[in-house]
Amino acid sequence: KQEVTQIPAALSVPEGENLVLNCSFTDSAIYNLQWFRQDPGKGLTSLLLIQSSQREQTSGRLNASLDKSSGRNTLYIAASQPGDSATYLCAVKAAGNKLTFGGGTRVLVKP
Amino acid sequence: DTGVSQNPRHKITKRGQNVTFRCDPISEHNRLYWYRQTLGQGPEFLTYFQNEAQLEKSRLLSDRFSAERPKGSFSTLEIQRTEQGDSAMYLCASSLSGQGGTNEKLFFGSGTQLSVL
Repeated sequence: KQEVTQIPAALSVPEGENLVLNCSFTDSAIYNLQWFRQDPGKGLTSLLLIQSSQREQTSGRLNASLDKSSGRNTLYIAASQPGDSATYLCAVKAAGNKLTFGGGTRVLVKP
Repeated sequence: DTGVSQNPRHKITKRGQNVTFRCDPISEHNRLYWYRQTLGQGPEFLTYFQNEAQLEKSRLLSDRFSAERPKGSFSTLEIQRTEQGDSAMYLCASSLSGQGGTNEKLFFGSGTQLSVL
């Protein structure tokens, strides 16, 4: 059974600092990995999708790197801003088409 | 608005009542998913449809839960005889399976927050 773990559970940084969010998964037979952002009481906004054949994916200030064999993915957010404060969720897609989510990392960027 | 739409946004009900939620996916998307999220946790898979066919159901989906997608467009999720443990955010997502398994991206709605008193 696929399990997804996100570390740390919470993170507080001063504005301008780079954010590093870690996601690990137990079964490396994945199709892709998606990162989502969730604001309090809201739905999920897709940030990045990285396919199993890719090692890296970039979108603006966001960069995700994937090491499928070791079951690790890292999301980097450069030059953090207070508007980046939210919960970030990692999810992996494997056989069966469903996404398995981690518990999320709550990020607070202080002005 | 061409995103995934869910109604209602909030639902408060008394224990034992039935509730129904609606999800309208992105129009060209053939797959539709239901997830449940409790406070401080990541979403958990409940069920998904490809067109009108329900292809997988989680063990979380007890016999009090039923989902339909009658014409392969919108979907409804009904909970009968609600219990306090059903209180959660119910999220709907849609995707286009033709993108291939590795590139299938899910788009989520804003969710329906259910509170069972």
